[in-house]
Amino acid sequence: GDSVTQTEGQVALSEEDFLTIHCNYSASGYPTLFWYVQYPGEGPQLLFRASRDKEKGSSRGFEATYDKGTTSFHLRKASVQESDSAVYYCALRPSSSSFSKLVFGQGTSLSVVP
Amino acid sequence: EAAVTQSPRNKVTVTGGNVTLSCRQTNSHNYMYWYRQDTGHGLRLIHYSYGAGNLQIGDVPDGYKATRTTQEDFFLLLELASPSQTSLYFCASTGGTYEQYFGPGTRLTVL
Repeated sequence: GDSVTQTEGQVALSEEDFLTIHCNYSASGYPTLFWYVQYPGEGPQLLFRASRDKEKGSSRGFEATYDKGTTSFHLRKASVQESDSAVYYCALRPSSSSFSKLVFGQGTSLSVVP
Repeated sequence: EAAVTQSPRNKVTVTGGNVTLSCRQTNSHNYMYWYRQDTGHGLRLIHYSYGAGNLQIGDVPDGYKATRTTQEDFFLLLELASPSQTSLYFCASTGGTYEQYFGPGTRLTVL
């Protein structure tokens, strides 16, 4: 079945460090890919999405590029801030799905220290 | 702004207890979902619904029932709660743009 794998379970950085969180997916066709962010004590919220090969999604300084060749959608940010500390989820909506159902990765907890 | 509310925010029960978690959305969305969130597993879909009276089975349905009474209200029922159901539960809704709007979560502890 469809699946999403996030390599890093936890990431610890200092402010102004470069961030990469790896996301690989397994699905047929062209699924829609998402990054969600969950701040402490809140529910997840959409960061951005991408629907086509080579499409770049971006928001709040974060970006990711849909790569069908490597089945990846890695999250990157050039300079993280303490306020970016949160859990990040990669997710996909199967292209074959007639229902609005998402498949989530395991989540990556980001901790940024001043 | 999308609005999804959940109640209670925290719940403690005992093994074998009966628990109902409530979710209401005021966005006129058709789709609603129940997830559980556990460390190492991320968000896992329990049940979901297209509209009032509709129910679809998710990926981890065992031990859970759900009911969608109106377009706004979606309930998750644990009739014989077990410690393995201790978790953080999220409700979400979407109107078809595929962006899911999540509630603030309910933390359930089964002793």
